Order: sequence, then structure tokens, then C-alpha cells
Amino acid sequence: EAGVTQFPSHSVIEKGQTVTLRCDPISGHDNLYWYRRVMGKEIKFLLHFVKESKQDESGMPNNRFLAERTGGTYSTLKVQPAELEDSGVYFCASSKRTGGNRARSYEQYFGPGTRLTVT
Amino acid sequence: DAKTTQPTSMDCAEGRAANLPCNHSTISGNEYVYWYRQIHSQGPQYIIHGLKNNETNEMASLIITEDRKSSTLILPHATLRDTAVYYCIVRAAGNKLTFGGGTRVLVKP
Repeated sequence: EAGVTQFPSHSVIEKGQTVTLRCDPISGHDNLYWYRRVMGKEIKFLLHFVKESKQDESGMPNNRFLAERTGGTYSTLKVQPAELEDSGVYFCASSKRTGGNRARSYEQYFGPGTRLTVT
Repeated sequence: DAKTTQPTSMDCAEGRAANLPCNHSTISGNEYVYWYRQIHSQGPQYIIHGLKNNETNEMASLIITEDRKSSTLILPHATLRDTAVYYCIVRAAGNKLTFGGGTRVLVKP
């Protein structure tokens, strides 16, 4: 089966511009996560979708970031306007649906990431 | 999710077993122990996870102590391609992954 894919692999934009990152999860995975690693820091959670609904967006840094997952398939993460501190690698991950009182814990599969450079 | 403590780095000889420790003394009953690794600039790669029983798959073995306050990831025969940063993470089902600094493992010939 195909893994998680992300587009583009690299993006270089100027401060103040807009960039949209795309993530295609593994087919059938209801959970979709966005993470990022900024220079020298640890990988940080941004948000979590269950199908098309935002389950947890506690990691979104500010309102310049907008994530969508219309139809519960692929997701986009828009940064508008981009700032220098937004530079880093943005990862997407997906996992199977969990649920119920005795929910199994499913592993998250990560994409290769999008390297964003804001100049 | 519970916090974990891992050594910053460790070296391992190629062909030997690599034992990576992790402390998670505040783990809750519904939290799983996960191990991921990140090779250079690739996306994190899932290795293994467990709740309370020891687990083994084609990549590694996971040994969880009876009180669940610590665990050890074992790479049975380390190769140069196992050089990576290894992350021990505890999380409840369906929750986000909280990455710490991990253990930087260098496999030497």
C-alpha cells in the first residue's frame, strides 16, 4: 500500500507570502496529524483530524496557520502570511481509527515531510 | 501524556545488540509505550509499541518492566543503517505523539 505522501518536498518563499502544504494519508486512515520541527527544536504536534473534524488543534502556533481536511481525505496546511520563524520541516502522519472503551492504539505513519524555508 | 527520559546518545558496534533504555515513571494505565526513529532528515519511522507485555517484530523487541515505569528497545543486530535518533513516547490511544530529544544512536563498523 502507498504510504503517506506530502507535497511539495521543498518550498522557499519570502516573508509575507502564502504557502499551502498538502498531505495525502494512507487510504482508509481516519486520523491525520500535522507536526513540525523548526530549526534546532524538537518535533512538535500541530493538530489532529478525525476524518474531516479537528479533534485537537492545541499545537497550532497562531491564526496564521489554517488546516483543512475537506471530505476527510487529504489535508492542507496554509501559512498566511509566512514569517521567518515558520521555517522548518512539516510532517504529516496518519493512523487507523481508534474508538470504544477498549480502543487499540494504532501506530502513526509519517510522510517524508515538507521543508519550508521563509526568507 | 507522560514524560519520558532517555540518554542523549549512545554508540553501538555493528552486528551487536543495541539496548536503548527509557524511563517513564509517570505512565498511566491507559498509556502505551511507543518507539519511533528518525533517520537523518526523513520522517519519523514507527518501530514498535506495547502496553504491558513484551513485544517483538521484525525490527526490534520491546521489554517493559512489570511496573511499566521503564522499558528497553532492543535492536538485535545493529547495522549501519540503524544510525538514527530513537524516540521513546508514551501516549494514550488516539492521542498525539509528544517527541522529546530522543537518543542519538551511532552504529560503528
